[in-house]
Amino acid sequence: QQQVKQSPQSLIVQKGGISIINCAYENTAFDYFPWYQQFPGKGPALLIAIRPDVSEKKEGRFTISFNKSAKQFSLHIMDSQPGDSATYFCAASKVYSNTGKLIFGQGTTLQVKP
Amino acid sequence: NAGVTQTPKFQVLKTGQSMTLQCAQDMNHEYMSWYRQDPGMGLRLIHYSVGAGITDQGEVPNGYNVSRSTTEDFPLRLLSAAPSQTSVYFCASSSQPGTSYEQYFGPGTRLTVT
Repeated sequence: QQQVKQSPQSLIVQKGGISIINCAYENTAFDYFPWYQQFPGKGPALLIAIRPDVSEKKEGRFTISFNKSAKQFSLHIMDSQPGDSATYFCAASKVYSNTGKLIFGQGTTLQVKP
Repeated sequence: NAGVTQTPKFQVLKTGQSMTLQCAQDMNHEYMSWYRQDPGMGLRLIHYSVGAGITDQGEVPNGYNVSRSTTEDFPLRLLSAAPSQTSVYFCASSSQPGTSYEQYFGPGTRLTVT
């Protein structure tokens, strides 16, 4: 059972364009929604995260938009750069949990063309 | 700080062989975990530990054992390797046990079982 669904599977964007990756979750108990960035041959690294008390969080060129009623959240990368080419994973979890378990989406491979 | 380190980077096993994937962190983090990454499935939690001497099962624990004798080390043992265990394995740690915040991932071990 896939509790977090991510789309698209792959994305090609021109340099300077906007990259948008979408995720939908099922469990209304989730209250922490991070995005991880993974470069080839490396482990995932936390990029940006949001809690459901806000609808948007921005850090530099990266913005998370969160829609609690629709149970959806998305990552927007403004002014996309070739260095942003990586695989992006959304995740969801209950923040306060002994397991610390993150439920990951399937991943999106982003290619930014120069 | 080296962060989270994993060895080996690559490993090929024959069906039925056993091996141990090593994970170490030098950040004095109490929480450590193991995930496996498979195409189209994101990352899934195998086992986790909230401190030395304390381990528990995650989402996909079958075929794997863990122990935590020190804060720094969290090895993952494959008891009798099967082709279904071909995957990329990531170890992670966090300074905030009891939450899913701020998880730092190692560089991964790519395992192939023939």
